[in-house]
Amino acid sequence: AQTVTQSQPEMSVQEAETVTLSCTYDTSESDYYLFWYKQPPSRQMILVIRQEAYKQQNATENRFSVNFQKAAKSFSLKISDSQLGDAAMYFCAYSRGDMRFGAGTRLTVKP
Amino acid sequence: ETGVTQTPRHLVMGMTNKKSLKCEQHLGHNAMYWYKQSAKKPLELMFVYSLEERVENNSVPSRFSPECPNSSHLFLHLHTLQPEDSALYLCASSQDYRGGEKLFFGSGTQLSVL
Repeated sequence: AQTVTQSQPEMSVQEAETVTLSCTYDTSESDYYLFWYKQPPSRQMILVIRQEAYKQQNATENRFSVNFQKAAKSFSLKISDSQLGDAAMYFCAYSRGDMRFGAGTRLTVKP
Repeated sequence: ETGVTQTPRHLVMGMTNKKSLKCEQHLGHNAMYWYKQSAKKPLELMFVYSLEERVENNSVPSRFSPECPNSSHLFLHLHTLQPEDSALYLCASSQDYRGGEKLFFGSGTQLSVL
């Protein structure tokens, strides 16, 4: 079974600074998809970014980018120019059929 | 209007009660999911429906009973629950049931079992 590990239960960042959230996963497959989801206090999970494993280029979405290291099975999320609205739980997820999630990282943004 | 709507938002029930959680998606998707979110644990996939057919049941206790009457609606019927079933129950949908599909989530039902 595929597992997703987020080793940082909590992280904090100063407003306007950059923060990186870590994620590793375990799989024997070569073709799969990786995601980062954000869960603000409203509880609704919102898709932040999606990466296809067969693409070497790292995905980016405005201030959000990933560092995808396939051989290392690592998929970190970088948030640039952090904003107060970025404060949330962030979940890394793996999908080849069902979507499997990590335990999450709580990000605090300090003004 | 959010694409996936869940009701109720909060639910408190005794162990002998019977209640149902409702999920409705307005996105025209073909697959719907129930996830359980407990504190400090990964989301647990409970059930998957594709084109109204159940395609996965991840060893969920029989006190949880899903129902998908059409592609837009998903229910989770609850009966004789245990205190450890207290959690946030999230519904999600995707265009189809296949790897790599983006999931769209509702805001969940926070369930407390007394």
